[in-house]
Amino acid sequence: DAKTTQPPSMDCAEGRAANLPCNHSTISGNEYVYWYRQIHSQGPQYIIHGLKNNETNEMASLIITEDRKSSTLILPHATLRDTAVYYCIVERSGGGADGLTFGKGTHLIIQP
Amino acid sequence: DAGVTQSPTHLIKTRGQQVTLRCSPKSGHDTVSWYQQALGQGPQFIFQYYEEEERQRGNFPDRFSGHQFPNYSSELNVNALLLGDSALYLCASSFRQGWAEAFFGQGTRLTVV
Repeated sequence: DAKTTQPPSMDCAEGRAANLPCNHSTISGNEYVYWYRQIHSQGPQYIIHGLKNNETNEMASLIITEDRKSSTLILPHATLRDTAVYYCIVERSGGGADGLTFGKGTHLIIQP
Repeated sequence: DAGVTQSPTHLIKTRGQQVTLRCSPKSGHDTVSWYQQALGQGPQFIFQYYEEEERQRGNFPDRFSGHQFPNYSSELNVNALLLGDSALYLCASSFRQGWAEAFFGQGTRLTVV
C-alpha cells in the first residue's frame, strides 16, 4: 500500500503557482519524499526529491514540513503542459531493490 | 541520449500465449526495474534487475520473469497470458539501484484477447 495520501484531483489557472499537497505521516527517518508525474500516455517523469530540507530545481520546489509528515510540490508558473497525474512517493534512497510504490496520485488540470 | 527505450510499443496477444518485452536503459544506468500499470491505476512494481540478477520482486506470480544482459538491457517475459495481464508495462532505469532521477520509458501497451 502507498505510504502517502494525496487529493485525487486539483485545478489551477495557467500562469499561477500550482501547490500539490501530500501527507506521509508514517515516514521513517531514512525515507525520502519523491515526486514524479505522468503525462497522458507517457512514462512517469522524475521531478524532485528531498529528505528534510526544502529543495528547488528547474522544474519545481519541494517544501517539507519540519516534522516531515507532509510536503508540498510547487510548480511556480503552471502551463497547460503541466496537466498530468502527480505522484508523491516515500522510499529509501541510494540503494536497495525496493520498487517505488505509486498510489493513485493527484490529477492536476491546468485551466487556460 | 535516447533515454530509456522500450519495444515494442504495442502488442496484442491471445490468452495462454507467452510474450517478451524489451528495455534498453539510459546511458550510464546499470539498474532496470519493471512496472505494470493497469488503466486508471498507478504503476505497480514487478521486479528489479541489477548486476544481471533479480534483486527484488513485487507481488507478481512466477509467470512473470526477466533477464538482464551484460550491456544492462533487460527483458520481461510473461507466460500463460491472462486477460488481466492487459496493461501498460513500464521500464525504469537508474544507477546502482538508487531512485534519484530514475528514468522511465514510454512503455509497452499489451492487450490480451
